[in-house]
Amino acid sequence: SAVISQKPSRDICQRGTSLTIQCQVDSQVTMMFWYRQQPGQSLTLIATANQGSEATYESGFVIDKFPISRPNLTFSTLTVSNMSPEDSSIYLCSVIRGRIADTQYFGPGTRLTVL
Amino acid sequence: AQTVTQSQPEMSVQEAETVTLSCTYDTSESDYYLFWYKQPPSRQMILVIRQEAYKQQNATENRFSVNFQKAAKSFSLKISDSQLGDAAMYFCAYRDPRGGSEKLVFGKGTKLTVNP
Repeated sequence: SAVISQKPSRDICQRGTSLTIQCQVDSQVTMMFWYRQQPGQSLTLIATANQGSEATYESGFVIDKFPISRPNLTFSTLTVSNMSPEDSSIYLCSVIRGRIADTQYFGPGTRLTVL
Repeated sequence: AQTVTQSQPEMSVQEAETVTLSCTYDTSESDYYLFWYKQPPSRQMILVIRQEAYKQQNATENRFSVNFQKAAKSFSLKISDSQLGDAAMYFCAYRDPRGGSEKLVFGKGTKLTVNP
């Protein structure tokens, strides 16, 4: 497995503002992902964070709303832009550490509440 | 598109007893991966068990085992000797490795309560 940390662990934000969530892994990983878990719901993949290039977004998610960076093999950020109450969710990063067919391990999540 | 269905929103079990959580999925692929993740109130997603579709043998991890029925597209999780710490949301997940995609498709989850 991998030791994954996320900052902040939770935040309460005002409508119209932006929040950047950080994901840090204790060692180099092959792939990094960002998921959203809306209240009482399952997880939905937002995007794959690609090191040194633009993230690959899933249908329904766009870069202007969820810009992602991955400057190296152990760190990624997700920004939730121009927030509305509908963005209130848990945001989780996950990683694949070794070969591509390996298991995804998840960070502890960031609980975001938008007022 | 692949879908994952967990038909039991909630389940309960007595401590030390056995419980089975159901999961079915829809795919036209023959090679894929299936997972069970546990999410306690701390919200950390923890891998419970993993199954490769090409393996006929059911995966086992200590008190956790699966019943993988490929033809029926069924992937149930059995928890033996249930413990209070097993109380959590359990999510079944599918991954189709075609084209290098590592996307996990999750079911809606089953909330497991363990009664002392």
